Amino acid sequence: GESVGLHLPTLSVQEGDNSIINCAYSNSASDYFIWYKQESGKGPQFIIDIRSNMDKRQGQRVTVLLNKTVKHLSLQIAATQPGDSAVYFCAENTPHGTALIFGKGTTLSVSS
Amino acid sequence: DAGVIQSPRHEVTEMGQEVTLRCKPISGHDYLFWYRQTMMRGLELLIYFNNNVPIDDSGMPEDRFSAKMPNASFSTLKIQPSEPRDSAVYFCASSLARVWKTQYFGPGTRLLVL
Repeated sequence: GESVGLHLPTLSVQEGDNSIINCAYSNSASDYFIWYKQESGKGPQFIIDIRSNMDKRQGQRVTVLLNKTVKHLSLQIAATQPGDSAVYFCAENTPHGTALIFGKGTTLSVSS
Repeated sequence: DAGVIQSPRHEVTEMGQEVTLRCKPISGHDYLFWYRQTMMRGLELLIYFNNNVPIDDSGMPEDRFSAKMPNASFSTLKIQPSEPRDSAVYFCASSLARVWKTQYFGPGTRLLVL
């Protein structure tokens, strides 16, 4: 079965709001957790990753939080823009370490 | 760089026919991955290669699926015979070994088996 999953399938926000996309995982042995973004008609695109020994990592307008106690991962997008509208996937590395297992995805819709 | 190139972009075929999907990874990348995406099952890893050698094919659905990587710049995913349940978008991705988490995906091949 799926070892990585999403709490909510869709999220609708207004432009300028902050967005939080959540993900639950079940494999405690994963070393890395990664977020990808997939725009309509395109392949997924890497956003940010976090190592399992970290709690938080920040990028440009994005922050990933990792709570290993409850096996929860979240992606926060600040000042969400219409261009952020996409499907967001969380992923974790496979037991071999160099491939990824993707969750089902959350659709983010940003309205102006 | 042109990015990962996949062909064809769209394929419509009839059940029982052979389908061959092609991928050209980014030059210099060590890893190549094949994924399948459907609404029901999401994005599934089928197989991946490291330096042209298959590392893990446990995601390949059944013997009807096969993948090859004859050289560093080309890979194929073949389905023979194809079935309607194989209809999906097939993605190829590549990455550098030292930053393997950053996979670069191609535009995908949308396959419809009638």
